[in-house]
Amino acid sequence: QQPVQSPQAVILREGEDAVINCSSSKALYSVHWYRQKHGEAPVFLMILLKGGEQKGHEKISASFNEKKQQSSLYLTASQLSYSGTYFCGTGGATDSWGKLQFGAGTQVVVTP
Amino acid sequence: NAGVTQTPKFQVLKTGQSMTLQCAQDMNHEYMSWYRQDPGMGLRLIHYSVGAGITDQGEVPNGYNVSRSTTEDFPLRLLSAAPSQTSVYFCASSPQGKGYEQYFGPGTRLTVT
Repeated sequence: QQPVQSPQAVILREGEDAVINCSSSKALYSVHWYRQKHGEAPVFLMILLKGGEQKGHEKISASFNEKKQQSSLYLTASQLSYSGTYFCGTGGATDSWGKLQFGAGTQVVVTP
Repeated sequence: NAGVTQTPKFQVLKTGQSMTLQCAQDMNHEYMSWYRQDPGMGLRLIHYSVGAGITDQGEVPNGYNVSRSTTEDFPLRLLSAAPSQTSVYFCASSPQGKGYEQYFGPGTRLTVT
């Protein structure tokens, strides 16, 4: 029941856009997005909740389609600092907080 | 605030040895969890806690024990280390329930030989 992320990897030039998708097989309450740089801990990007509430603090946007149990993360006008591995974590509608499940990650490389 | 701290940063164990990975947070968060990260597999939940004295199992709990005697500390115990437990371990905390971000510690890289 691990969420499926696509693509596995993407290479961008600075200024280009990209979309990362996260798909789950179960009804979701929340989708979390984190970015991890090599050798570091994951860092929070965004939470999307059932009902449309969003919380985030970077210039990265995301969407959450509750009916399809899918979320997409939009990297717009990418910067070198966007490089890293992006993980989505999903919280099931009937799960407690602790049951976040993470996808395998999408590696993003932004080149000059 | 130091946030979420983990010790040690690196550890090498021999098969069959036991040890405790330490995790502490100074943000008064009720929720804490342990993950392991292996190449190509993302983060997998080992155990989690929704408050002092309350713990539950995640996806991959076998071979690990936890306890939560205080709000601040959430140690992870490896009972008898196996090479399959070679991984990077992250501790995380969150202020409340499902709709809140998790704050991750810096991680512990564990090698079992």
